[in-house]
Amino acid sequence: QSVLTQPPSVSAAPGQKVTISCSGSSSNIGNNYVCWYQQLPGTAPKLLISNNDERPSGIPDRFSGSKSGTSATLGVTGLQTGDEADYYCGTWDSSLSAVVFGGGTKLTVL
Amino acid sequence: QVHLVESGGGVVQPGGSLKLSCEASGFHFKDYAMHWVRQAPGKGLEWVAMIWYDGTTKFYPDSVKGRFIISRDNTENTVYLQMKYLRAEDTALYYCVTDPPFSGYAFHSWGQGTLVNVSS
Repeated sequence: QSVLTQPPSVSAAPGQKVTISCSGSSSNIGNNYVCWYQQLPGTAPKLLISNNDERPSGIPDRFSGSKSGTSATLGVTGLQTGDEADYYCGTWDSSLSAVVFGGGTKLTVL
Repeated sequence: QVHLVESGGGVVQPGGSLKLSCEASGFHFKDYAMHWVRQAPGKGLEWVAMIWYDGTTKFYPDSVKGRFIISRDNTENTVYLQMKYLRAEDTALYYCVTDPPFSGYAFHSWGQGTLVNVSS
């Protein structure tokens, strides 16, 4: 059981937009920065979004992040087959003094 | 360019010990906090340990507290994970990750991982 809650899977057609939610509490998302990671099949995770909504160098602007209260959202526009991957949210939990992740969301581009 | 190379994984019996290493290059290692994150086969990400840039502060989740110890050598640009009293549920791919200054616990770079298999 993950501290952060993500939907197990989402899907959409190529070219369309999809959002992935990440729900937490005041001890984690509510008072700390949220990050998002993309894990392509057979590879190590890669940082997509840091500090709620910042894209590291090299990440396309098709990927966006937002946070409101105790929830965060990853948005992906102009979906491509190469976006098929597992996506994880993560943050610091001040009560646990621990980094926590969501359970992951598998994105399928139909 | 950041480069992280993990080593030390292998097959170990339940109750046994193993020490992982992560050699870092391409960045100012001594300025960065470092973490270990693991992923069991077919499962999600689980954070395992964190060490501050100077080694003075460490954090662990309850699942490994008292069994795992993270350490670092800033002269050798290496971070370690000593694992004791290993259990079957510790079987996973263990990643070394960087946490740059003021990054808000964002894991900017990941190694390729080293596989730990706890089995009798």
